[in-house]
Amino acid sequence: GQNIDQPTEMTATEGAIVQINCTYQTSGFNGLFWYQQHAGEAPTFLSYNVLDGLEEKGRFSSFLSRSKGYSYLLLKELQMKDSASYLCAVRPPQGGKLIFGQGTELSVKP
Amino acid sequence: NAGVTQTPKFRVLKTGQSMTLLCAQDMNHEYMYWYRQDPGMGLRLIHYSVGEGTTAKGEVPDGYNVSRLKKQNFLLGLESAAPSQTSVYFCASSKAGTSGGAPEQFFGPGTRLTVL
Repeated sequence: GQNIDQPTEMTATEGAIVQINCTYQTSGFNGLFWYQQHAGEAPTFLSYNVLDGLEEKGRFSSFLSRSKGYSYLLLKELQMKDSASYLCAVRPPQGGKLIFGQGTELSVKP
Repeated sequence: NAGVTQTPKFRVLKTGQSMTLLCAQDMNHEYMYWYRQDPGMGLRLIHYSVGEGTTAKGEVPDGYNVSRLKKQNFLLGLESAAPSQTSVYFCASSKAGTSGGAPEQFFGPGTRLTVL
């Protein structure tokens, strides 16, 4: 079966650090993606992990542990514009398609 | 480059009506996808295509048909719309998995469909 879990909502303070977790149980694995989606807009790509470890890209980092079926997205120096939904998605071995979690709605407060 | 475009942006249908959503990409991507997004449900894959002339079913294909006659276009059809198909529809495209680099999907702006 396919199951991807993320917290539904999170709140954090401007300037702080927040970690959004994602756990998955899927039939096969060929990479994990994080997307950002602002209200009323399309998802945009943030990061991709296919091997264990940390990938850093500016204020955003993503971590993967394949043996634990676990990933997190770390956002540093939070800004108000980071208020958005963050989507975790797993790529099965064939076809390029993605299986998405329900998304985590992050609210950044002043 | 326009990236991924979708038409129309908004549409209201009555139950039983039909319509076609058009997706176009100018990135020469092999793969294309149609998703629907509903509150609390995340993005769910309807149909996808790994090349011109090929299509495959995703998680929620019932009530929809697709065609990929040209590499750059992917059409989603609703033959007899139902209120349960009220949703936001996103098209996406990506390189084939063997093309190298992160095979991220690029999304269009979405079509907001209401079925009364």
